[in-house]
Amino acid sequence: AIQMTQSPSSLSASVGDRVTITCRASQDIRNDLGWYQQKPGKAPKLLIYAASSLQSGAPSRFSGSGSGTDFTLTISSLQPEDFATYYCLQDYNYPWTFGQGTKVEIK
Amino acid sequence: EVQVVESGGGLVQPGGSLRLSCAASGFTFSHYAMHWVRQAPGKGLEYVSTISTNGDTTYYANSVKGRFAISRDNSKNTLYLQMGSLRAEDMAVYYCARDSRYCSGNTCYGGYGMDVWGQGTTVTVSS
Repeated sequence: AIQMTQSPSSLSASVGDRVTITCRASQDIRNDLGWYQQKPGKAPKLLIYAASSLQSGAPSRFSGSGSGTDFTLTISSLQPEDFATYYCLQDYNYPWTFGQGTKVEIK
Repeated sequence: EVQVVESGGGLVQPGGSLRLSCAASGFTFSHYAMHWVRQAPGKGLEYVSTISTNGDTTYYANSVKGRFAISRDNSKNTLYLQMGSLRAEDMAVYYCARDSRYCSGNTCYGGYGMDVWGQGTTVTVSS
């Protein structure tokens, strides 16, 4: 199975900060990568699909980039409601695999 | 409203079996592949299984292959996960999720991903 490695595992940031999370695949996955946000006790929510396409309803401050093995999720200006855990998911081939998650905390 | 609602979780002994259900509403269930994802207490998300629109094709995580079986009943708009030989490491919240792509015949539209999630059902494996 393809391994997905996210970094950092956690970060502290302030409201208004620009935040970047990275995800690396163990092999080329083209642009078959999504980003999900999960808040405590809640189901995950799809933010980005196909590496850089914004899911309907997701705020435009979220953006994704990358292809091949290296991918990035960027939050342009962190808002209070963005404090959560973020996961990447490769949907290039089965079994799909998630990264281990990045917890974004308040500084 | 587009939604999926899981049920069937509970307490089961190691080695036991359990069947989870996921009831879909607000969309044409038969046009979407479906997934199961789980999350152990305090841990990250783990992909479990996928089933195609007509149920002919299934995929599993290595950790559950041979023990779990995914199925669907399009006439009842319901997804299932039959879990057997349960272990302590199977203890988790199990989420049902809709695939993002709309499929009609042999053609699918849209990007990959899981765009509709349920609230989850909890499976506890303990003696």
